Amino acid sequence: DTEVTQTPKHLVMGMTNKKSLKCEQHMGHRAMYWYKQKAKKPPELMFVYSYEKLSINESVPSRFSPECPNSSLLNLHLHALQPEDSALYLCASSPNDSGYNSPLHFGNGTRLTVT
Amino acid sequence: AQSVTQPDIHITVSEGASLELRCNYSYGATPYLFWYVQSPGQGLQLLLKYFSGDTLVQGIKGFEAEFKRSQSSFNLRKPSVHWSDAAEYFCAVGAGGYQKVTFGIGTKLQVIP
Repeated sequence: DTEVTQTPKHLVMGMTNKKSLKCEQHMGHRAMYWYKQKAKKPPELMFVYSYEKLSINESVPSRFSPECPNSSLLNLHLHALQPEDSALYLCASSPNDSGYNSPLHFGNGTRLTVT
Repeated sequence: AQSVTQPDIHITVSEGASLELRCNYSYGATPYLFWYVQSPGQGLQLLLKYFSGDTLVQGIKGFEAEFKRSQSSFNLRKPSVHWSDAAEYFCAVGAGGYQKVTFGIGTKLQVIP
């Protein structure tokens, strides 16, 4: 069982919809991440939150809006998405952002389909 | 910037046979290296990691990997593969600081009876 919980597991949305992906961890980790994974591709980093502050935005389009309400929760708000945004969205956490002894713990992802 | 090369996109091995998955990295400083495994429709699970010290690292599920600085490699091995090992395997390298982990393209492992 993963210690990073993502909801929903599957999401289908139209291009005019607004939806949110949620991620939760209770391991006391202080860094949280959003990754996007297209079929048969490796995960690509989107955002990093460190101590509840956005520290990295990998030039992600503004139709993706991250939010970190507290150290245990991470949201990804979606609006006006395109069909090419369909992918598996993975949340991850790590004890801190230093890299040393701080591997990523992944959730099982949200499979997003944009119609 | 760091990069990872996994030269084998797809590997097929017989159950009980040994396994070696190749990984080469490019990074100017001492890298943080990882191997992750992903089953279909699932997230990634950490198999093992290398930060420093002993260049042969042991992981979960009977996997091990050896860091060879001279070859810029971090190959994953398992002496006897089980059918449940069929999955996608990602090698990854992390830079210091904000844990910008870069993943390789992945190697899909098929296990045949």
